[in-house]
Amino acid sequence: AQKVTQAQTEISVVEKEDVTLDCVYETRDTTYYLFWYKQPPSGELVFLIRRNSFDEQNEISGRYSWNFQKSTSSFNFTITASQVVDSAVYFCALSNSGYALNFGKGTSLLVTP
Amino acid sequence: ETGVTQTPRHLVMGMTNKKSLKCEQHLGHNAMYWYKQSAKKPLELMFVYNFKEQTENNSVPSRFSPECPNSSHLFLHLHTLQPEDSALYLCASSVDSSRGTEAFFGQGTRLTVV
Repeated sequence: AQKVTQAQTEISVVEKEDVTLDCVYETRDTTYYLFWYKQPPSGELVFLIRRNSFDEQNEISGRYSWNFQKSTSSFNFTITASQVVDSAVYFCALSNSGYALNFGKGTSLLVTP
Repeated sequence: ETGVTQTPRHLVMGMTNKKSLKCEQHLGHNAMYWYKQSAKKPLELMFVYNFKEQTENNSVPSRFSPECPNSSHLFLHLHTLQPEDSALYLCASSVDSSRGTEAFFGQGTRLTVV
C-alpha cells in the first residue's frame, strides 16, 4: 500500500517567519518519486519539486528548501522568511509502481502581514 | 497562455443535465489526467490517458465518461450526477504516464450539482 500523510491541516504564520510543512510517506517500492505542489486560490496546482528515492541530497531553491530523509520516510518542505504570496495549499505526492501521483490531503498555509 | 486550460471554470448543473468539461494542453505532452478534488479529501485520480489510450479508470462511476480525441484534448462528459459529485475537477498533463513524471495542472472546473 502507498500512502502520503500531511498531518498539518492548517498553519498560520506571520510574514518573515520560517515554516516547515511535514510529509510522511509509505511505500514498499525501492524506486519512487516524491513531489511537492502548491495550490494558490486560483486553483491550479503548481509543480515545485521532484525527488527520486536514490537522491537524498537536500535541495534549496531561493526561499524554499526540501529535506528528504529515507530513514524516517519524510520529505519536509521549509519556506524561509515567508511572504503573504506564499499563502496557499501545499500538497506532497508520491509516485511509485502505480505511476500516477498519490497526493496527501494538503496543508493550508496562511501568511499574514 | 497557460500550459493547461480548462473550460468552463465554473459549472452549475442539475441532476438530470448533461454537460461536458474540456481540457486542452499546449505543452506537447502525451499523457492527460482527470482528478477530482473534494473538500477535506486528497486529490483522487479518475482517469489516465497515454497517447490517446485510456490506461487507468480508478473505479469511477459510469456517469463520468472521458474522451480523448487527441493528445492535446481531454473531455469529461457528465450525466445524471449526484450532489456528492460537486467538487473541483482538475485536468493535468505530463510528457507521458511513466513513473516520476511531473504533471502540470489546469485551474480546474468548479462543479456544483443541484
